[in-house]
Amino acid sequence: GNSVTQMEGPVTLSEEAFLTINCTYTATGYPSLFWYVQYPGEGLQLLLKATKADDKGSNKGFEATYRKETTSFHLEKGSVQVSDSAVYFCARSSSGYSTLTFGKGTMLLVSP
Amino acid sequence: DTGVSQDPRHKITKRGQNVTFRCDPISEHNRLYWYRQTLGQGPEFLTYFQNEAQLEKSRLLSDRFSAERPKGSFSTLEIQRTEQGDSAMYLCASSSTTSGSYNEQFFGPGTRLTVL
Repeated sequence: GNSVTQMEGPVTLSEEAFLTINCTYTATGYPSLFWYVQYPGEGLQLLLKATKADDKGSNKGFEATYRKETTSFHLEKGSVQVSDSAVYFCARSSSGYSTLTFGKGTMLLVSP
Repeated sequence: DTGVSQDPRHKITKRGQNVTFRCDPISEHNRLYWYRQTLGQGPEFLTYFQNEAQLEKSRLLSDRFSAERPKGSFSTLEIQRTEQGDSAMYLCASSSTTSGSYNEQFFGPGTRLTVL
C-alpha cells in the first residue's frame, strides 16, 4: 500500500540555520506530493506541493523537489526563523488522487 | 469564504455514549474528507464524499462509525458506543475536482474527542 516515511524529530535549530526534513514515499502509481504544516494550536495548512517528477514546490522560502528516482520529497529552507517552529507533515496522494497518506510528522523547534 | 469549519472544537464524553461531529466545507468544494489524528501521528484517512456519494471508506472506519453528507454540502460523522481508543482529533478537509488544484485538500481546525 501507500506509505510515507519522514525523519523523526524534534529537529532543533538556531535561527538562520539551514533546514532539511527528509521524506520518502512508496513508489506506487504517479502520486502528487505535499508538505503540510501545523503551527501550535492551529489546523493543517498546505505549505507546498508537486504533481510530477522533477517539479519543485516552493512557498515562504521552503522548497521541495519531486525525485522519482529516489522516491523522495525532502523539505528545505535556507534560513529558518523562530516563527517556522511547527510540525511538518509530508503526504502523498493515492493513485486516484482522492485520499492523502501522511507521514508521522516532524517537529521543528527554532531558537533565537 | 472562511475556510473549512468544524463543530464542536472539543468534545468530552463518557465511554459508551454516542457523539456527532459536523463539518462545513469550503463552499463549491464537491469533495469532503474525514481523517483521524492521534498524538504523535499523522492524519489517517477515514472516508470521503464526492457530492452526496460516499466513495471510499478506510478499514479504520468500524461499524460504530457512520458519516453522511445528505445534500452534498455539510457532513456529519457519528461515533456510536464510544471507546477510549476513539480519543483523537477528527479532521475534515475539502477539495474541488473542478479547479486547477483538484487534488489540493484544505483542512479544518479539527474536533478533539476525549472519551473518559
